[in-house]
Amino acid sequence: GEDVEQSLFLSVREGDSSVINCTYTDSSSTYLYWYKQEPGAGLQLLTYIFSNMDMKQDQRLTVLLNKKDKHLSLRIADTQTGDSAIYFCAESGVSGGYNKLIFGAGTRLAVHP
Amino acid sequence: NAGVMQNPRHLVRRRGQEARLRCSPMKGHSHVYWYRQLPEEGLKFMVYLQKENIIDESGMPKERFSAEFPKEGPSILRIQQVVRGDSAAYFCASSPPAGGAGGYTFGSGTRLTVV
Repeated sequence: GEDVEQSLFLSVREGDSSVINCTYTDSSSTYLYWYKQEPGAGLQLLTYIFSNMDMKQDQRLTVLLNKKDKHLSLRIADTQTGDSAIYFCAESGVSGGYNKLIFGAGTRLAVHP
Repeated sequence: NAGVMQNPRHLVRRRGQEARLRCSPMKGHSHVYWYRQLPEEGLKFMVYLQKENIIDESGMPKERFSAEFPKEGPSILRIQQVVRGDSAAYFCASSPPAGGAGGYTFGSGTRLTVV
């Protein structure tokens, strides 16, 4: 079945780069997403990548997709304390005529001075 | 253009009571999805609805849980006879009819506590 896995914790120093990794199982996934959740808040869409792309860059965010290994990563350059949050990887494929998002358990990013 | 609106933000219920969670999708969005987030876990799909239709309820518990999205008004997730294990954050998301690359827009969630 569909499954998305992420490491649970990542701790980085302010100003360093953060790399959050994700693996997924559904090879038919059309889009892959990264969402950010701050404490007590909902999910904010950070970025997404279409499955026929290898890389997407958006300001401090770089998404890398290795479709062969079903591996997705999110790199945050110059990590700031405001980046401390839980980051969710999600995959979607058209199933039954609609996009259904399957989420990983989330990676908790802690940024320290 | 308001985003996805969920209310209440926090809900406390005693065991055995009913919980009603409401979700108003973004303007122009006719697809609604409900997800549940247990403490320290990711989001689990519950149900997908369009106006007056349940399209996919494969993630809904078989008993006590129901969802609707009427022609007028918000989508409602209803939990009857709540138990402690129902304590979680319930998120609603909406998308336009075409779905597409943009993913969903999520609400801020309703945090249900069963005491």
